[in-house]
Amino acid sequence: GESVGLHLPTLSVQEGDNSIINCAYSNSASDYFIWYKQESGKGPQFIIDIRSNMDKRQGQRVTVLLNKTVKHLSLQIAATQPGDSAVYFCAENKDAGNMLTFGGGTRLMVKP
Amino acid sequence: ETGVTQTPRHLVMGMTNKKSLKCEQHLGHNAMYWYKQSAKKPLELMFVYNFKEQTENNSVPSRFSPECPNSSHLFLHLHTLQPEDSALYLCASSRGGGVYDEQFFGPGTRLTVL
Repeated sequence: GESVGLHLPTLSVQEGDNSIINCAYSNSASDYFIWYKQESGKGPQFIIDIRSNMDKRQGQRVTVLLNKTVKHLSLQIAATQPGDSAVYFCAENKDAGNMLTFGGGTRLMVKP
Repeated sequence: ETGVTQTPRHLVMGMTNKKSLKCEQHLGHNAMYWYKQSAKKPLELMFVYNFKEQTENNSVPSRFSPECPNSSHLFLHLHTLQPEDSALYLCASSRGGGVYDEQFFGPGTRLTVL
């Protein structure tokens, strides 16, 4: 059959606005989640993590929300800047294991 | 920079070639990882080494052969690859091999198999 590329959803925001990037995870036993940022030509970079005993965790300009009921993770970026333009993806430790499984990612584009 | 370097940054090889990817970390970490990032799938773990011992092989075909001579260096030897192996190969390191240890990624090697 024909090969297709991984389709990345794109979120386009105006500079200064807040951004919300979502991730649906698959495994109810996962107990650790990470958000990564990957800029063009670079490897992924850790942004923020959260354990399943928490619903919310804040960093510098970023907040991660975890809703275990619907297996949903979100990343909120406040006052989005052009330097935030990148692909963002989440990772989980399936079955509370020692290895990470990654999601497909969302491309964030910041308009000046 | 992250403290993890990878060479070469770009590699084009034929299906019958043998080549190697190199990764070096300058962070004093004990665990190192190989990941594959292709256009068709999310980032996939390939191998994990902790204190030079392989602790994970994520069902990777034998045409990929890792080598970890010490905690600072990791190689991925490539032999008889297929065009579908074309991808970005990322190396990472972490202080320990546990899931809670932050992984630091290199910039990757963009591999094209003709």
